[in-house]
Amino acid sequence: GQQVMQIPQYQHVQEGEDFTTYCNSSTTLSNIQWYKQRPGGHPVFLIQLVKSGEVKKQKRLTFQFGEAKKNSSLHITATQTTDVGTYFCAAPGMDSSYKLIFGSGTRLLVRP
Amino acid sequence: ETGVTQTPRHLVMGMTNKKSLKCEQHLGHNAMYWYKQSAKKPLELMFVYNFKEQTENNSVPSRFSPECPNSSHLFLHLHTLQPEDSALYLCASSQGQGVGDTQYFGPGTRLTVL
Repeated sequence: GQQVMQIPQYQHVQEGEDFTTYCNSSTTLSNIQWYKQRPGGHPVFLIQLVKSGEVKKQKRLTFQFGEAKKNSSLHITATQTTDVGTYFCAAPGMDSSYKLIFGSGTRLLVRP
Repeated sequence: ETGVTQTPRHLVMGMTNKKSLKCEQHLGHNAMYWYKQSAKKPLELMFVYNFKEQTENNSVPSRFSPECPNSSHLFLHLHTLQPEDSALYLCASSQGQGVGDTQYFGPGTRLTVL
């Protein structure tokens, strides 16, 4: 079945350093979504990207959708301790239904 | 507050017990989901319901039994569980239409099987 591959699995950074997580698919995606799960919490929707090459920003977070719509990235500039958590990408399955396929997540740890 | 509630938040049960997890969504959505999240396999999709009809069962053992009496409520009935079933069980809901609905998660039930 379709998979959404996400790397890295873990990232440990010093506060103030940048962080990037990547999401890749072997098939073209109609859209891609990003979620954040704080420690002890539940996944919370951050953003959806739909257009080829789309770039969206939320404060220090920058989301990109690749030109071929097969990959996406989330970049955090100057991380803060509040950025700690696991970041998941998610995309529709090959059946193009309402359901999502979630990546395995990237767990971000920030040293103060 | 995402509009999706789950009870109980924590549950400890023996392998011979029978318990149920409850999920309720106040978002007017049509689709509801059960996920299992453990350290080894994050976000495993278990069951999907859309307009009260089960549309997906991801080879889940029969000791997990879902029930969706209406579009707002979803239950997961548990019986004769194994210790490896200990995990965070997350419920989510979405519109159930379109391509790749945004999903809204509840806070989860942390289950420990002794």
